[in-house]
Amino acid sequence: DAMVIQNPRYQVTQFGKPVTLSCSQTLNHNVMYWYQQKSSQAPKLLFHYYDKDFNNEADTPDNFQSRRPNTSFCFLDIRSPGLGDAAMYLCATSRAREGGPDTQYFGPGTRLTVL
Amino acid sequence: GQNIDQPTEMTATEGAIVQINCTYQTSGFNGLFWYQQHAGEAPTFLSYNVLDGLEEKGRFSSFLSRSKGYSYLLLKELQMKDSASYLCAVRDSNYQLIWGAGTKLIIKP
Repeated sequence: DAMVIQNPRYQVTQFGKPVTLSCSQTLNHNVMYWYQQKSSQAPKLLFHYYDKDFNNEADTPDNFQSRRPNTSFCFLDIRSPGLGDAAMYLCATSRAREGGPDTQYFGPGTRLTVL
Repeated sequence: GQNIDQPTEMTATEGAIVQINCTYQTSGFNGLFWYQQHAGEAPTFLSYNVLDGLEEKGRFSSFLSRSKGYSYLLLKELQMKDSASYLCAVRDSNYQLIWGAGTKLIIKP
């Protein structure tokens, strides 16, 4: 089945220790997104790729970086995690159509704990 | 600014019907989405409305009125597995998704 996969599902890191979260997709969608979601809050878009074109949200901290080496994979790097970065990180993909991206489909998420 | 409003929490009884409302103020409109999110899991796509009216999908229906900036999600024949958060999201003129904080639906036997 075509899907969005995130690894790991649960990640524990120490304050200040870099961590990388990964996302892969078999949907062959050319748009990929990273969201941060805290409990009972709306998902917050961090950045997205339109093919190789990287789009950073204005309020995404510099602490967060992303890489997309090919269509299928996307990585979220948190350079120096703080306690406030503990959250669920969601990867989503969509197909780009004329007029704009289509419906977004989400992976299962990675829950990050910062000790 | 852009804003999506939904009730924080609702309670309903198994087998009943519940309507979850969503109002929005956004810079332009290019469609409204409803997602279901079970606790600790990712959102899953439920429905999409871009024209006024009702879209029906089995037990779930979604309604849109663009002139009123209003949508609702109607869930019929409620089951315990419908206990989840329901998120409303609007795509603005830049095709960015603006998300509501979600409505937590609690189903009681």
